[in-house]
Amino acid sequence: DPQMTQSPSSLSASVGDRVTITCRASQTIGTYLNWYQQKPGKAPNLLIYGASSLQGGVPSRFSGSGSGTDFTLTISSLQPEDFATYFCQQTFSSVFTFGPGTTVDIK
Amino acid sequence: QVQLQESGPGLVKPSETLSLTCTVSGGSISAYSWAWIRQSAGKGLEWLGRIYNSGSTNYNPSLKSRITMSIDTSKNQFSLQLNSVTAADTAVYYCSSLSGGYWGPGTLVTVSS
Repeated sequence: DPQMTQSPSSLSASVGDRVTITCRASQTIGTYLNWYQQKPGKAPNLLIYGASSLQGGVPSRFSGSGSGTDFTLTISSLQPEDFATYFCQQTFSSVFTFGPGTTVDIK
Repeated sequence: QVQLQESGPGLVKPSETLSLTCTVSGGSISAYSWAWIRQSAGKGLEWLGRIYNSGSTNYNPSLKSRITMSIDTSKNQFSLQLNSVTAADTAVYYCSSLSGGYWGPGTLVTVSS
């Protein structure tokens, strides 16, 4: 099964900043990739599916791109409610593995 | 709006069986496929397995033969059983739709004597 890595593991940013998080798969997965946001004590919330499709109700400042093994999640202008941990997940194989997460905190 | 809710014991003794149920409301369980995921304190997300509305399953090989999932369409519920638990199985357990669009709030299961 593909193993997922993310970089950075954490980052500090300010409101209004453009933030980019990278996810890499150990083998090609096409565009079978989801992105989630998780806040403390809450379940993950799906942001992006199919590498670049925005889940309904998710603000348009979130976008995803990539295919094959390299993917990015971009927040165009960071808002106070965006401080959270972000996970990627591959849905290519029979076991849907997650990346280790990237924590975005306040600078 | 589809909603999910996990239920089951919050404390399980070592070597015993962890049993959780996920109740689906606001939609038919037969319309989707389903998954269980867990998250240990301060750690990442571990995908445990999936179950289709037909009852067929795929499990994470890391759990070997300890895991069983089942579905009861008459009750709009699906379930997780994990045998021979140890402290390493202590985690928040989530049920979700296979697509990832719907999640339960999660339930903490602690393995301790």
